[in-house]
Amino acid sequence: QLMQSGAEVKKPGASVKVSCKASGDTVTGYYMHWVRQAPGQGLEWMGWMNPHSGTNYAQKFRGRVTMTRDTSVNTAYMELSSLRSDDTAVYYCAKARTDYYYAMDVWGQGTTVTVSS
Amino acid sequence: DVQMTQSPSSLSASVGDRVTITCRASQSISSFLNWYQQKPGNAPNLLIYTAYNLQTGVPSRFSGSGSGTDFTLTISSLQPEDFATYFCQQSYSTPYSFGQGTRLEIK
Repeated sequence: QLMQSGAEVKKPGASVKVSCKASGDTVTGYYMHWVRQAPGQGLEWMGWMNPHSGTNYAQKFRGRVTMTRDTSVNTAYMELSSLRSDDTAVYYCAKARTDYYYAMDVWGQGTTVTVSS
Repeated sequence: DVQMTQSPSSLSASVGDRVTITCRASQSISSFLNWYQQKPGNAPNLLIYTAYNLQTGVPSRFSGSGSGTDFTLTISSLQPEDFATYFCQQSYSTPYSFGQGTRLEIK
């Protein structure tokens, strides 16, 4: 199970850090993906972190996104900087299958990030 | 980047109907295609991975097929809980793009 942090309201230019706490297994045991969904829109893949702390970010977000984790609290994080109004979205963490790293079989409940002046 | 196009964008059907949703990739993605179901206010739920493999716990009325550029998701006999939005996702190359979604509504 993945439990995400609560809703955030940020001003343009600020940063947001969303947390995703794993329970029932260790956050280092699988690929963790981040996906976002703008209001009324489709799904957009942002990147992943693998068990070895390697990361792969979508080109669109490189330079603005950082995915990390803290094993002491079994939690993954996604930080997005230089926020713009079009970053307003629900952000999801999602763990991948252990036998196929690129299909997401357990999702967090989502964190709403609103960017507004 | 690989572009994913779903059709139709919306679909009305009745309980018991057989329904097919199509997903087309802008280039060959082999069998690296996943399907998700999303209900309003909820996170997506994995149904099918690598084109035809049924995710654990997903009813057998759901099936997937295809390879290369053309894929289908079939629901053999619609149940009331199947009315939702369905997304395909390619996992062949990053960024792992999604289709725009197919909204399945009750007729």
